[in-house]
Amino acid sequence: QSALTQPASVSGSPGQSITISCTGTSSDVGGYNYVSWYQQHPGKAPKLMIYEVTYRPSGISNRFSGSKSGNTASLTISGLQAEDEADYYCSSYTSTSTVLFGGGTKLTVL
Amino acid sequence: EVQLVESGGGLVQPGRSLRLSCAASRFTFDKYAMHWVRQAPGKGLEWVSSISWNSGSIAYADSVKGRFTISRDNAKNSLYLQMNSLRAEDTAFYFCAKDMAAAATSANDYWGQGTLVTVSS
Repeated sequence: QSALTQPASVSGSPGQSITISCTGTSSDVGGYNYVSWYQQHPGKAPKLMIYEVTYRPSGISNRFSGSKSGNTASLTISGLQAEDEADYYCSSYTSTSTVLFGGGTKLTVL
Repeated sequence: EVQLVESGGGLVQPGRSLRLSCAASRFTFDKYAMHWVRQAPGKGLEWVSSISWNSGSIAYADSVKGRFTISRDNAKNSLYLQMNSLRAEDTAFYFCAKDMAAAATSANDYWGQGTLVTVSS
């Protein structure tokens, strides 16, 4: 059960777009459309931003979008804002009925 | 608004046991799967365990299999995690999280604030 692979950090300026990747295998990311993305601010609980690869929960800005190609899922944030600065985690359901999280990506808004 | 409140954390010696509870409210508890997710201080999220709506499907991370037991009481709207043979590496904030589906396959749309478990002599 190795963690999904995410870049440790990404950065962008206000108004720009950034993309965070999440790489797994055919037994998790590539095999199921059960990829989710979470935002976590320091000292807070995670917040669901994207579920089932591309869907946004009610109340989540359309600046956040998700996609998947093969064994890699991606989260794109457009029109970066200061409040987007946080840690972001991907997760996927797996072929052994477990869940895997990525190692997390720290987003810095310059 | 959905509410999930964890309790039962604290300081425990290596090898001892602890039972976490999660009180759920403001949603139909017995229609959704539930999860425990942990986060060591300053580290990333780690999925621990999940249980389907009727306890018919249960799964564990390899790191806790054989030591932790997840359970739920739908009559009491409560989720539990029995943690035995605790190790220093189990030290973490433990979050209770609701699944969007009855089976534990989808995303976690609501999370509790977490309870801290510290394993140390």
